[in-house]
Amino acid sequence: AQSVTQLDSQVPVFEEAPVELRCNYSSSVSVYLFWYVQYPNQGLQLLLKYLSGSTLVKGINGFEAEFNKSQTSFHLRKPSVHISDTAEYFCAVVDYTGNQFYFGTGTSLTVIP
Amino acid sequence: GAVVSQHPSWVICKSGTSVKIECRSLDFQATTMFWYRQFPKQSLMLMATSNEGSKATYEQGVEKDKFLINHASLTLSTLTVTSAHPEDSSFYICSAAQVLGGGETQYFGPGTRLLVL
Repeated sequence: AQSVTQLDSQVPVFEEAPVELRCNYSSSVSVYLFWYVQYPNQGLQLLLKYLSGSTLVKGINGFEAEFNKSQTSFHLRKPSVHISDTAEYFCAVVDYTGNQFYFGTGTSLTVIP
Repeated sequence: GAVVSQHPSWVICKSGTSVKIECRSLDFQATTMFWYRQFPKQSLMLMATSNEGSKATYEQGVEKDKFLINHASLTLSTLTVTSAHPEDSSFYICSAAQVLGGGETQYFGPGTRLLVL
């Protein structure tokens, strides 16, 4: 089975500052990795995903993430955040053999003006 | 991009009534759909996996007789909360799986907020 750990439950950051949201996973098999964003009272929107190839993945809204197999991490980064980035961010993993997603507990990003 | 819709977005009902929530993949066919439940400030909890034309697979602890799932077509899955009680009040989110680029991605609906009085 897989598991996902998002170490930071809340991350406050000033507007235009950089941010990194951490995600670590554990799995005995190869996995695909995803980051989703959830705005208040809405469903989840796919930010980016890693399936294969380049370990640096670029997503929407200026976000990017880097897959590090040795450290089993998939941290999400943005060089300069905006107020509109305030939301809940979820990291998820699915293994090659199945289609069940395992979600982290989420990180609440608050951008301070 | 892939779009998944849910209807209704909000529902308030009396205790003891049944509520049906629809999940549709609008621009792709989804062989597999998932139903999640999310409590305030928590992550998503997978309730069941629904495959078109077959019975849904429920996660441990989820009552299949209470949460009826019907996956009638490749673009529609429904979740019926039978005899709803206040503790069933929650945010229900569906997702539909699409295989792209050698990997499967889930696209999520906007969610349905259920309030049982």
